[in-house]
Amino acid sequence: QSALTQPASVSGSPGQSITISCTGTSSDIGGYNFVSWYKQLPGKAPKLMIFEVSNRPSGVSNRFSGSKSGNMASLIISGLQADDEADYYCSSFTNRSTLVFGTGTKVTVL
Amino acid sequence: EVQLLESGGGLVQPGESLRLSCAASGFTFSGYALSWVRQAPGKGLEWVSFVSGSGGTTYYADSVKGRFTISRDNSKNTLDLQMNSLRAEDTAIYYCAKEGYNWNYASAFDIWGQGTMVTVSS
Repeated sequence: QSALTQPASVSGSPGQSITISCTGTSSDIGGYNFVSWYKQLPGKAPKLMIFEVSNRPSGVSNRFSGSKSGNMASLIISGLQADDEADYYCSSFTNRSTLVFGTGTKVTVL
Repeated sequence: EVQLLESGGGLVQPGESLRLSCAASGFTFSGYALSWVRQAPGKGLEWVSFVSGSGGTTYYADSVKGRFTISRDNSKNTLDLQMNSLRAEDTAIYYCAKEGYNWNYASAFDIWGQGTMVTVSS
């Protein structure tokens, strides 16, 4: 199972909105609404930001939102803040009952 | 407080075995599925294995199938990963992670441990 494809880096200025894409296939993203997004700071464990495509866990800012169209999922961060700077990973359930992560995106706040 | 604490990592030679453990607290352990996720140094996340709340259902990534075995002891609130025939490419931080919203499959992990480092090298 190949990793889902994410852009290596995305950047934006404070207050702007950015979108991180996550491209898979009909065997994963396109076939199921089990897409999640994680934020990881250096040396720390990942933190769940979005589950089931567009749901936010309790405590996650509503500046984070998710969507899906076909085989591609997206994470949108609005009102970009300095502490949004991190690595972001998508993941998806697959038709083999496994889970696949994305390649990861480094978000830089200019 | 909901917590996962991994242990058992270390330095081993190629071909050797290692057993990782994850101690859970703060939630009804048997009510939740768990997974192991790893991250090689400087690399991305890789899902490794899943076990259902009862322990009766398990899944593995192709990269570890036949070499790794996931298990849980609901009486002790512990999750294990038995790793055999270790290879250099198994070198990574290994995280245990609690499934937050799905009982049957690995889907979304709402709680993660701090990780334990496994190094496979001669």
